[in-house]
Amino acid sequence: DVKVTQSSRYLVKRTGEKVFLECVQDMDHENMFWYRQDPGLGLRLIYFSYDVKMKEKGDIPEGYSVSREKKERFSLILESASTNQTSMYLCASSLDGKLFFGSGTQLSVL
Amino acid sequence: AQTVTQSQPEMSVQEAETVTLSCTYDTSESDYYLFWYKQPPSRQMILVIRQEAYKQQNATENRFSVNFQKAAKSFSLKISDSQLGDAAMYFCAYRSALNAGGTSYGKLTFGQGTILTVHP
Repeated sequence: DVKVTQSSRYLVKRTGEKVFLECVQDMDHENMFWYRQDPGLGLRLIYFSYDVKMKEKGDIPEGYSVSREKKERFSLILESASTNQTSMYLCASSLDGKLFFGSGTQLSVL
Repeated sequence: AQTVTQSQPEMSVQEAETVTLSCTYDTSESDYYLFWYKQPPSRQMILVIRQEAYKQQNATENRFSVNFQKAAKSFSLKISDSQLGDAAMYFCAYRSALNAGGTSYGKLTFGQGTILTVHP
């Protein structure tokens, strides 16, 4: 069975902290994505990666960076967390246009 | 850029009845895919149904069917014989079919979501 694993289900951080959200997929997919989900706004694409060390900005990349050193792992980095980054973060991987999602990380920045 | 709009923040239905969720989208592309995803309280996104734009026939999956109106850029989801387990957030999504140098990489553009409540 396909599996996309996000390391934390809930996370609480302080303003100004550096935050790492980790995502691992076991399907050897080339494409991986980070989305942010907010009420009334749906899911918005932050960054995606189409190969190791390759990345492209999505629709809302400001305040975020990503890292993909290995094919199976895609990390989202908040260099200096702010309260407006409190949100649900969803990771996904894809093959042949079909998206597989993790179960999300609810991040609260206090 | 493509946009997807779900104008119903919340909908409710009685168990065993039928409900229709609305979705409109905007694109200049002629070839693309449309999806409905379900997100229950577990937060796990589940693909409900998929429609290829080049197919005129509306997709169906058991109790779920779509009404795809390409000219109107409308893509509604009909749930028949609603069950308590259908209660969830539903998202409409768009994916470009670009390839051969203009690949979409499988990126989806999502609508705002519709919360569906099912009353027993």
